[in-house]
Amino acid sequence: EVRLVDTGGGLVQPGGSLRLSCEASGFTFTTYSMNWVRQAPGKGLEWVSYISSTSSTIYYADSVKGRFTISRDDARNSLYLQMNSLRDEDTAVYYCARDRGIVGAPFDYWGQGTLVTVSS
Amino acid sequence: DIQLTQSPSFLSASVGDRVTITCRASQVISTYLAWYQQRPGKAPNLLIYAASTLQSGVPSRFSGSGFGAEFTLTISSLQPEDFATYYCQQLDSYPWTFGQGTKVDIK
Repeated sequence: EVRLVDTGGGLVQPGGSLRLSCEASGFTFTTYSMNWVRQAPGKGLEWVSYISSTSSTIYYADSVKGRFTISRDDARNSLYLQMNSLRDEDTAVYYCARDRGIVGAPFDYWGQGTLVTVSS
Repeated sequence: DIQLTQSPSFLSASVGDRVTITCRASQVISTYLAWYQQRPGKAPNLLIYAASTLQSGVPSRFSGSGFGAEFTLTISSLQPEDFATYYCQQLDSYPWTFGQGTKVDIK
């Protein structure tokens, strides 16, 4: 069974940092690209970042570029999102999601999400 | 960035109704479009990809159509578990974007 488990969320002050993790199981992690998607309270979905299966291609949304860093550890079947210089508007549930890494590949499995609250 | 506009943003329907949601892209995206269902407090769930391909395990009452810049999601006979929010997503080019969502509520 494919499973993605998101962890690492919590309450952090503006300007602070947080590292999210996504542990994958039930599939060959090294053959999939991975993404982070977030959803602010009561709002829609916003794609945040993408990393290819070999880590050779990385993309970020303009809203997080320069502040967030995506990475993966294939030995641990894990995806990470290092979030620095956090702002109030980064408050959201963060989901990891996998895709096959080809044009048009949808996000076919998602983690359960982890809540990040940025507030003083 | 490619903008996706869903209509309507909200619809009220009854069990058994046929429901259609439209997603319009700001530029041509071939068939690189997916649809997701999200129930409250849950992660999104993939329904349709490549505009019209039903994801494995998704009931056949869900269908998708369209090409280019206009797409539709149809639920042929609404069931109680279908009351949720639906999102389209373009996968043509970075940054991948979502529509604003369509909430389907009970009439």
